Amino acid sequence: NAGVTQTPKFRVLKTGQSMTLLCAQDMNHEYMYWYRQDPGMGLRLIHYSVGEGTTAKGEVPDGYNVSRLKKQNFLLGLESAAPSQTSVYFCASSSGQFYNEQFFGPGTRLTVL
Amino acid sequence: GDSVTQMEGPVTLSEEAFLTINCTYTATGYPSLFWYVQYPGEGLQLLLKATKADDKGSNKGFEATYRKETTSFHLEKGSVQVSDSAVYFCALDSSYKLIFGSGTRLLVRP
Repeated sequence: NAGVTQTPKFRVLKTGQSMTLLCAQDMNHEYMYWYRQDPGMGLRLIHYSVGEGTTAKGEVPDGYNVSRLKKQNFLLGLESAAPSQTSVYFCASSSGQFYNEQFFGPGTRLTVL
Repeated sequence: GDSVTQMEGPVTLSEEAFLTINCTYTATGYPSLFWYVQYPGEGLQLLLKATKADDKGSNKGFEATYRKETTSFHLEKGSVQVSDSAVYFCALDSSYKLIFGSGTRLLVRP
């Protein structure tokens, strides 16, 4: 049971380049989330999904797009990267039941030059 | 909207000292409350939770009690170890989304 995995672990981009971060979970969870973590700001929700084929905006969605074509995968895209998107990105998933415990991936450290 | 406020760090303690990290929240209704821990270079792990008022969550010697009257969920441990050095996040469940505090870094010295 791998839990939540993220690909890649590290990436350096130049301003204006695009990339996709992949999140996969093997727990058959309905809900999936993308967060960014910046120093002194905790985790902020970018986008989330409550089931296959659905997506919704979180607290800081600008500059990002997401897709949930398969239940186990949640993709985060940056179409034109900016230095302000330098951050650590975490994916999480939950069953959506009871108290909504979320399980987190190991993170992707992205630097935009 | 819902929000979580936790004490700023870093908190530096000697091994075996008593730990308190304060957390207060603002929310409509009675959300579930969580403490997550992040060890260096890793993702977040659930440390403990409480789902209703007066519940006490506990795990690995850490405890926190859901106090409705003071809207608080302070994290405590009686005797910290060097291995407890990490960043601790308080969070609440808001319509199946988690709202996090800014995190408190704990450093425990031998």
